[in-house]
Amino acid sequence: EAQVTQNPRYLITVTGKKLTVTCSQNMNHEYMSWYRQDPGLGLRQIYYSMNVEVTDKGDVPEGYKVSRKEKRNFPLILESPSPNQTSLYFCASSTSESSYNEQFFGPGTRLTVL
Amino acid sequence: LAKTTQPISMDSYEGQEVNITCSHNNIATNDYITWYQQFPSQGPRFIIQGYKTKVTNEVASLFIPADRKSSTLSLPRVSLSDTAVYYCLVMFSGGYNKLIFGAGTRLAVHP
Repeated sequence: EAQVTQNPRYLITVTGKKLTVTCSQNMNHEYMSWYRQDPGLGLRQIYYSMNVEVTDKGDVPEGYKVSRKEKRNFPLILESPSPNQTSLYFCASSTSESSYNEQFFGPGTRLTVL
Repeated sequence: LAKTTQPISMDSYEGQEVNITCSHNNIATNDYITWYQQFPSQGPRFIIQGYKTKVTNEVASLFIPADRKSSTLSLPRVSLSDTAVYYCLVMFSGGYNKLIFGAGTRLAVHP
């Protein structure tokens, strides 16, 4: 089954404790992206990757890091989480064969930073 | 500043047609406009995509004027199950490949 998976689905942590949220897709997609979703603000892109070893900042990259060592995986790293990073996070992927806009989304990770 | 604008919320009744408009001034000249539907606790789901004029599929129509600075998602004969948040998505010009979502329109369909 074609899908985007994220782990963990729920995470409660404390300020300053490094964490990683994993994202994996099995569709051989080139484009992968991370979004955060906050009430009233919709989905905002954090980072995106056009392909392996190619990453770039989205609209809200501060406080986040990403890497793309393999085509299928695109982990999101919070080196020193802060309470303002409490949010719902979505990973998505798409292929250049259609349009990068046709994104397939993961189920989401709800992060709480205390 | 790249930005999209949608109405925050809309109300409708079962069986009516609903039109949701999104404005996107700085859209890339060669990119598509895409709309998504999101239910609570789920990731957004692709509905429809277009480049210009009109596109129709089994669930919706998308109208795009010649200047492409806006688009309108049309949902024919909505039902209660169409209650969701609807987002437009575009890729903006400027040499980047950033994707910009609107803030979303919360559609409530009433019996």
